Amino acid sequence: DIQLTQSPSFLSAFVGDRVTITCRASQGISNYLAWYQHKPGQAPEVLIYSASTLQRGVPSRFSGSGSGTEFTLTITSLQPEDFATYYCQQVNGYPVTFGQGTRLEIK
Amino acid sequence: QVQLVESGGGVVQPGMSLRLSCAASGFSFRTYVMHWVRQAPGKVLEWVAVIWYDGSNEYYAESVKGRFTISRDNSKNTLYLQMNSLRVEDTAVYHCVRGGLTGHNHFDPWGQGSLVTVSS
Repeated sequence: DIQLTQSPSFLSAFVGDRVTITCRASQGISNYLAWYQHKPGQAPEVLIYSASTLQRGVPSRFSGSGSGTEFTLTITSLQPEDFATYYCQQVNGYPVTFGQGTRLEIK
Repeated sequence: QVQLVESGGGVVQPGMSLRLSCAASGFSFRTYVMHWVRQAPGKVLEWVAVIWYDGSNEYYAESVKGRFTISRDNSKNTLYLQMNSLRVEDTAVYHCVRGGLTGHNHFDPWGQGSLVTVSS
């Protein structure tokens, strides 16, 4: 199975900050990586797919990069509604796997 | 508007069975790969199973293989998850999720989920 290691697991930041979350795959997955935002009591929502493609309707302050085994999600100018848990996911092969999540909290 | 609505969750004892359903609307259900994903309390997201658009392929997480069966009825726009020999560790919110036109697309959208509690 392809393991995804996210870092950090927890992140505390101010509104207006820029933050970066990293996802490392245990083997190459090309660009078959997506990022999701998950808020308590809600369904997860895709932010980025194919490593760097912004999902329609997602604010441009979210961006993704990377290929192979190293990927990043960057959020510029954090907004109050951005405080949530973020997961990376690989869809290169089965079983599909998720990272362990990064909980982003307001400082 | 694309919508996925799960039903069938509840409280069951270990060893019992339960079937989840997911009613899809707002898109051409028969052309999309569909998945089930679960999240146990306080745990991370765990992919459970996938079924191809025509039902020709299925894959399962090792943790549910041989106990769970994913299926679909394209005439009813409905996805199912038959869960047998349930264990306490199967307790989770189960989400029905749309994949893409192939098995290598991101997941969008997700249903709100159906809570399954396995407890004696």
